[in-house]
Amino acid sequence: KAGVTQTPRYLIKTRGQQVTLSCSPISGHRSVSWYQQTPGQGLQFLFEYFSETQRNKGNFPGRFSGRQFSNSRSEMNVSTLELGDSALYLCASSTSGGLAGSQETQYFGPGTRLLVL
Amino acid sequence: QKEVEQNSGPLSVPEGAIASLNCTYSDRVSQSFFWYRQYSGKSPELIMSIYSNGDKEDGRFTAQLNKASQYVSLLIRDSQPSDSATYLCAVRGSNYKLTFGKGTLLTVNP
Repeated sequence: KAGVTQTPRYLIKTRGQQVTLSCSPISGHRSVSWYQQTPGQGLQFLFEYFSETQRNKGNFPGRFSGRQFSNSRSEMNVSTLELGDSALYLCASSTSGGLAGSQETQYFGPGTRLLVL
Repeated sequence: QKEVEQNSGPLSVPEGAIASLNCTYSDRVSQSFFWYRQYSGKSPELIMSIYSNGDKEDGRFTAQLNKASQYVSLLIRDSQPSDSATYLCAVRGSNYKLTFGKGTLLTVNP
């Protein structure tokens, strides 16, 4: 079974631009979560999608948004990029997440490394 | 108050020794606990999960959970240089979000 895939793997943008990252979950997984990882803050939860609905959200500004499609693929968008948005963005999928998936394992993709200049 | 706390390390142990990694969490209603390993430049991979108080063993790894003390630990026996990585503690709390600690960097010296 193919793992979680993320595209692109690397991205360089300048301040003020916007960026869209893509995540394809493991086949059959319907829950997709996004995380931002930086050396200073560690792995921080951005949001979780399930059946095209945002089910959970972390403490990030509204510049960070996401969506999920009917095939469970997900995208996240960051508008008006800031230098501090430079990070590794990780996507993780699980079968159902939420209450039903409290013991489920989340499987991570390889990540997209974003550099904002 | 940080939700999940870990010693940042680095924790350095000689090859063949036991490495002990610790994690505390603040949400008393937390249900599930995970240990992920992350090699430099790679994404996290799950190595252990634990849901009930007590010990859970898998090969050289043992996870220990004490919900009353809000404490979870990971022991790595017979540590190998290939175990050198950052170990992330993750806790699924009452809101079902998975919250990660900042990780402990483990170095196993040959």
